[in-house]
Amino acid sequence: EVQLVESGGGLVQPGGSLRLSCKVSGFRMSGDSMHWARQAPGKGLVWLSRVYEDGSQTTYADSVKGRFTISRDNANNMLYLQMDSLRFADTALYYCVRDRKFAFDEWGRGTLVTVSS
Amino acid sequence: QSALTQPPSASGSPGQSVTISCTGTDRDIGAYNTVAWYQQHPGKAPKVIISEISKRPSGVPDRFSGSKSGNTASLTVSGLQPEDEADYYCSSYAGRDTWVFGGGTKLTIL
Repeated sequence: EVQLVESGGGLVQPGGSLRLSCKVSGFRMSGDSMHWARQAPGKGLVWLSRVYEDGSQTTYADSVKGRFTISRDNANNMLYLQMDSLRFADTALYYCVRDRKFAFDEWGRGTLVTVSS
Repeated sequence: QSALTQPPSASGSPGQSVTISCTGTDRDIGAYNTVAWYQQHPGKAPKVIISEISKRPSGVPDRFSGSKSGNTASLTVSGLQPEDEADYYCSSYAGRDTWVFGGGTKLTIL
């Protein structure tokens, strides 16, 4: 059974940092691009970032470019999102997502990040 | 990286059909055959129901169908059932290794 389990969310002050993790099981993660997406409370989905299968290339949405860093550890089936300079607008449920043929076919249950003073 | 445009709401009675549109540009929907649709029930993670414009993953009822014309993609749900009440999102590859979602459509079963 495929599972993606996010962790690392919590309450952080504006300007602070958090590192999200995603533990993957049930498939060989090294064969797939992986993404992070988020959903603010009561709002829609927003794509954030993608990392290639081997971690060699990364891309970001303009809203997080320069503040967030995606990475992966294929040996341990882990995906990460380092979030720096957090803003109120970054408050959301953050999802770890698998990419198959340009569609997001497997999702975690999300980890909640709250940016508040 | 502007969001794709979806109507905020749609509705239909059980047994009827409803179509949800998703409008982009010639840099995303119009440029690639990568439109996907997701169903999200309250408090749950999204679930892909259509990929590559019109392909249904295993287990998705054939009541769900997708199409594309120009810069606009559409999701049609036929034979509406109560469990179809959910939020629906479209997505598309937008070039240069970026993706974009639609704003979402809340489908209400009357």
